[in-house]
Amino acid sequence: GIQVEQSPPDLILQEGANSTLRCNFSDSVNNLQWFHQNPWGQLINLFYIPSGTKQNGRLSATTVATERYSLLYISSSQTTDSGVYFCAADRGSTLGRLYFGRGTQLTVWP
Amino acid sequence: EPEVTQTPSHQVTQMGQEVILRCVPISNHLYFYWYRQILGQKVEFLVSFYNNEISEKSEIFDDQFSVERPDGSNFTLKIRSTKLEDSAMYFCASSAQGIQPQHFGDGTRLSIL
Repeated sequence: GIQVEQSPPDLILQEGANSTLRCNFSDSVNNLQWFHQNPWGQLINLFYIPSGTKQNGRLSATTVATERYSLLYISSSQTTDSGVYFCAADRGSTLGRLYFGRGTQLTVWP
Repeated sequence: EPEVTQTPSHQVTQMGQEVILRCVPISNHLYFYWYRQILGQKVEFLVSFYNNEISEKSEIFDDQFSVERPDGSNFTLKIRSTKLEDSAMYFCASSAQGIQPQHFGDGTRLSIL
């Protein structure tokens, strides 16, 4: 299968700070998604971004498919941004199976 | 916005018992998936389902597991004889096409005693 590596594994921020989370993947992909898992365990879909750049409020994401990485930017972080951020990618040749990274645990302090 | 809904939100079952987890995918979606997440670990693929049959399954999806789409709206995961190591959060997902974004339900937390 495809390898999905996320960094850093843990990130601690003061409220208001900016951060960048990285996702490397080992093969070409058709689908790349970013999720936020909240403290209740729900997986919130942030971005579907197999290539290019998207923005949604304080969050934005960029995927450079040719170099096999994606970045998630969080600006002006808030305590509600805390949780685990997962990147997931398919293998490009299968019917949608997603391979998840191990996630980045983000903690934002007031 | 349409959602994937899962029931129950939490299921507690004795080891060896059968359990059925239920999902209602988004209505016009054609591809359905089950994933699981053991506490503190990453999310793992179990099975994908399209056109009333399994498209792909992982090594986790052994003979104890089965999936079914009994009618036009529900998609179920059955674990025939649960084991302690089946304790996990189980997520259902659906997509309009195989390479479109997958939309996840809120999960069912399964606890095996």
